[in-house]
Amino acid sequence: DQQVKQNSPSLSVQEGRISILNCDYTNSMFDYFLWYKKYPAEGPTFLISISSIKDKNEDGRFTVFLNKSAKHLSLHIVPSQPGDSAVYFCAARASGSARQLTFGSGTQLTVLP
Amino acid sequence: DAGVTQSPTHLIKTRGQQVTLRCSPISGHKSVSWYQQVLGQGPQFIFQYYEKEERGRGNFPDRFSARQFPNYSSELNVNALLLGDSALYLCAARQLMNTEAFFGQGTRLTVV
Repeated sequence: DQQVKQNSPSLSVQEGRISILNCDYTNSMFDYFLWYKKYPAEGPTFLISISSIKDKNEDGRFTVFLNKSAKHLSLHIVPSQPGDSAVYFCAARASGSARQLTFGSGTQLTVLP
Repeated sequence: DAGVTQSPTHLIKTRGQQVTLRCSPISGHKSVSWYQQVLGQGPQFIFQYYEKEERGRGNFPDRFSARQFPNYSSELNVNALLLGDSALYLCAARQLMNTEAFFGQGTRLTVV
């Protein structure tokens, strides 16, 4: 039972263009969402987060959008750079939980020079 | 500040053996969580500890156990290893009131 789904295992984008990574969730109790980036042989690195009371959060080139009615969030990277090539994980936390994170299966982003 | 450190980085064990993985959190980060990441999947929650107490447990068998020490470091133990336990084991640390978790580089466990 996958509560957080990333349906695109991979995405290729040209350098300078926008990268859009998508994530869907099923658990209505999720109240906080995060994106992590992972390079090979490293642990996940926190990128950006959003609370369920917001619909957008921006940090430099990274913007996360949350559509609660659709149970959908997306990460936009503009402009994309070759160094952004990594696996991106969407994660969610349920209210009242022990702050455990439920992760999606990840999307491999490749930014082509 | 040093990041979250895990040891060892790689480990090969035989089926049926026992393994202990270690994690040292960032200074001041009192909560430690353990995750298992198998190839092609996202990390799966195993345990969360705070102030030496278990605060959460994922859907893992009793062969998995953990503990947290007074200095907030933590150990994950897995008994009677199965081939399916082969995975990257990640430790994450956070300050209690923050939801942002900082991950270590992980321990790659291979069971043969």
